[in-house]
Amino acid sequence: DAGVTQSPTHLIKTRGQQVTLRCSPKSGHDTVSWYQQALGQGPQFIFQYYEEEERQRGNFPDRFSGHQFPNYSSELNVNALLLGDSALYLCASSLNARQAIYEQYFGPGTRLTVT
Amino acid sequence: QQQVKQSPQSLIVQKGGISIINCAYENTAFDYFPWYQQFPGKGPALLIAIRPDVSEKKEGRFTISFNKSAKQFSLHIMDSQPGDSATYFCAATPRNTGGFKTIFGAGTRLFVKA
Repeated sequence: DAGVTQSPTHLIKTRGQQVTLRCSPKSGHDTVSWYQQALGQGPQFIFQYYEEEERQRGNFPDRFSGHQFPNYSSELNVNALLLGDSALYLCASSLNARQAIYEQYFGPGTRLTVT
Repeated sequence: QQQVKQSPQSLIVQKGGISIINCAYENTAFDYFPWYQQFPGKGPALLIAIRPDVSEKKEGRFTISFNKSAKQFSLHIMDSQPGDSATYFCAATPRNTGGFKTIFGAGTRLFVKA
């Protein structure tokens, strides 16, 4: 049973560029959440998707956007990259957000470096 | 009100000792309190979680103690082992059936000396 997978593992981008990160949830899970984890900090909630819609959003600007596909996989897009966007981006999947099942399983993350 | 405050920032424990990490929260709408373990270069892994209607939950060497009136909860790692050396995060999720967001503490770096 595959866990949460993310791609790519590492990414280096230049300020002002755009980036797309990808996530496949754990088998049987339909809800995907994205987190940003700066070095030495706890994960910060970006947003959550289920039923192909954004259901919750944290305090992140509109430069951060996402998408969920019919197979429950998800993308995180960040436009106009800033140096401060350098972080580990984590995807977490859960079984059914609508039924208040909060147990989340994290992927290994994508390390984004903005230069 | 959405914060979860975690202490200590770092902790050194002898092998076989008890590691204790504490968290405090303000928002009474929090309904689920998980603990995660993270090794360098890896994503957080769910260790153990508790709901506010229970005062204690034990899974193997890991125990959560929950004090609803004080709005505090803690993780106890019994018989700590060098393999437990990692960063531990407490977290809290507010009650919501329309999607949820989980708030994480800042983390505690645990080092278990052999």
